[in-house]
Amino acid sequence: AQSVTQLGSHVSVSEGALVLLRCNYSSSVPPYLFWYVQYPNQGLQLLLKYTTGATLVKGINGFEAEFKKSETSFHLTKPSAHMSDAAEYFCAVSDRTSGTYKYIFGTGTRLKVLA
Amino acid sequence: GAVVSQHPSRVICKSGTSVKIECRSLDFQATTMFWYRQFPKQSLMLMATSNEGSKATYEQGVEKDKFLINHASLTLSTLTVTSAHPEDSSFYICSARGAATYEQYFGPGTRLTVT
Repeated sequence: AQSVTQLGSHVSVSEGALVLLRCNYSSSVPPYLFWYVQYPNQGLQLLLKYTTGATLVKGINGFEAEFKKSETSFHLTKPSAHMSDAAEYFCAVSDRTSGTYKYIFGTGTRLKVLA
Repeated sequence: GAVVSQHPSRVICKSGTSVKIECRSLDFQATTMFWYRQFPKQSLMLMATSNEGSKATYEQGVEKDKFLINHASLTLSTLTVTSAHPEDSSFYICSARGAATYEQYFGPGTRLTVT
């Protein structure tokens, strides 16, 4: 069965510092991978996704992630944090074996940006 | 493109009553729709998957008689919480997927409060 692990339920960074949110997955087949951001009382907004091809994926708001098959990781980074980046971030994997491509979400990481 | 709406955005109901939440794909045909539940400060938990014209497939532990899902058309799915109780209070999010894609598009969510 597929699973997603997000290390660190809470991450704090200073404004302007590097943001690194970790995501590891387990899957018997190469998965599709996603990062979403959620602001309070709102739905999910897609930051970026990996399906095939280039392993370094660039997304919105300056975020990027790198798919590393050997490490089964898909960590999310941003060179310089803004106050507006404070939110909850979810990593998800699409179950390509299920036929319905249902998503399995990580437990989430709450990012706090310090002034 | 690929917009999903939910109605209502917030609903308050009394214990013992039923409440219906609508999920619509506005600009594409959704062959598969998903319903998630999110408790405060937690991740999204998949409740059920529904294919247009078929019975929904519920995840383990989700009561199908309590959470009635209908996916009667390619643009509309409904979730009815029957005989709601305070413990059903949660944030319910739907997503939709078209036939030719693996990607899910998420609605903005519905905040249900049962008093």
